[in-house]
Amino acid sequence: QQQVKQSPQSLIVQKGGIPIINCAYENTAFDYFPWYQQFPGKGPALLIAIRPDVSEKKEGRFTISFNKSAKQFSLHIMDSQPGDSATYFCAASTYSSASKIIFGSGTRLSIRP
Amino acid sequence: DVKVTQSSRYLVKRTGEKVFLECVQDMDHENMFWYRQDPGLGLRLIYFSYDVKMKEKGDIPEGYSVSREKKERFSLILESASTNQTSMYLCASSSDGQGLSYEQYFGPGTRLTVT
Repeated sequence: QQQVKQSPQSLIVQKGGIPIINCAYENTAFDYFPWYQQFPGKGPALLIAIRPDVSEKKEGRFTISFNKSAKQFSLHIMDSQPGDSATYFCAASTYSSASKIIFGSGTRLSIRP
Repeated sequence: DVKVTQSSRYLVKRTGEKVFLECVQDMDHENMFWYRQDPGLGLRLIYFSYDVKMKEKGDIPEGYSVSREKKERFSLILESASTNQTSMYLCASSSDGQGLSYEQYFGPGTRLTVT
């Protein structure tokens, strides 16, 4: 049973555009929502994370928007660059199972020059 | 910087062979994980370990076993490899709730092909 649903599966955006990746979860006990970025030939690495007590978090060109009532969160990339081309995974975890993270299915993002 | 290393980047094995995938982390992390990554399915947890000699099944443990004899090393074992175990295998480690960030650090992955 998939606990974190991610869409779209793939996304192509022109340089400078704003790709948006969406995720939805079911377990209201989740209290930590990270995004991981994976470049070809590399393992995933933490990009940015949010807790449900805030509705938005920005780090550079990357922004997470969080809607607790809808149980949805999304990643926006401002002024996207070809170097942002990667696979992005949303994820969620609970304090009671702090070590165990549930990952979404991933979005392959391609930024065209 | 945290470093997680995996013994092989590419591996080709025959059906029925016993396969060992090794993972080593250098940051004294308590937790270690094995995932497999398949297109459209994301990262699926096979097993994880929160201490030496301790292990817990993840979402897809069938056909796999693990071993953690030392804190820094976590091995994934395919007792009898099958073609449906052809995949990318990722190892990760994390500290125990430090700052409640739960960040996992991943190795570069092992691309296993079973023929």
